Amino acid sequence: GAVVSQHPSWVICKSGTSVKIECRSLDFQATTMFWYRQFPKQSLMLMATSNEGSKATYEQGVEKDKFLINHASLTLSTLTVTSAHPEDSSFYICSASTGTRGLEQYFGPGTRLTVT
Amino acid sequence: RKEVEQDPGPFNVPEGATVAFNCTYSNSASQSFFWYRQDCRKEPKLLMSVYSSGNEDGRFTAQLNRASQYISLLIRDSKLSDSATYLCVVNAPLGDMRFGAGTRLTVKP
Repeated sequence: GAVVSQHPSWVICKSGTSVKIECRSLDFQATTMFWYRQFPKQSLMLMATSNEGSKATYEQGVEKDKFLINHASLTLSTLTVTSAHPEDSSFYICSASTGTRGLEQYFGPGTRLTVT
Repeated sequence: RKEVEQDPGPFNVPEGATVAFNCTYSNSASQSFFWYRQDCRKEPKLLMSVYSSGNEDGRFTAQLNRASQYISLLIRDSKLSDSATYLCVVNAPLGDMRFGAGTRLTVKP
């Protein structure tokens, strides 16, 4: 149980385009989903926290107009990187929590974004 | 000061060795604590939760000292497959998680 999927697993796009990443909890309902970014040899950095049906809470320094998060259902959250730039190239990982399992988070496999 | 700080590593140990990782956190109101393991280019996977009373899972022992805001992970009889980056994770009062920078472990034959 507690499986989280992400799609796509790897995407290459050109500067200026937008990319949507999907995060799904497959066998449980996630009241909260988190989006992280990880640069090479660095730890995960929380970008935003989203609860189903409400606006996401962004961490300081993360542009909410550039990283659009939608959490329309208890099993799906999306992150859209708008007007992508090469510096947005990173590993994006989502996680999901039910809030009832000791606040443990279950991570998706990640999406590697390369902006050329 | 970082919210979660870990030993910088890397740790290079022979098979069978015992290795200990330390972690400190700055927010005294933190509520839950975890150790995650992350393999290269993969997502983190929960290794174990950390409880005030200390807990053990096979070769792995985790301890929490709330007074000192300190968490530890001990790996006994290390295996080649234990090679990974170990992340100390602290659940902040508002529910979001804060990650340490990770400590890389390499177990050599």
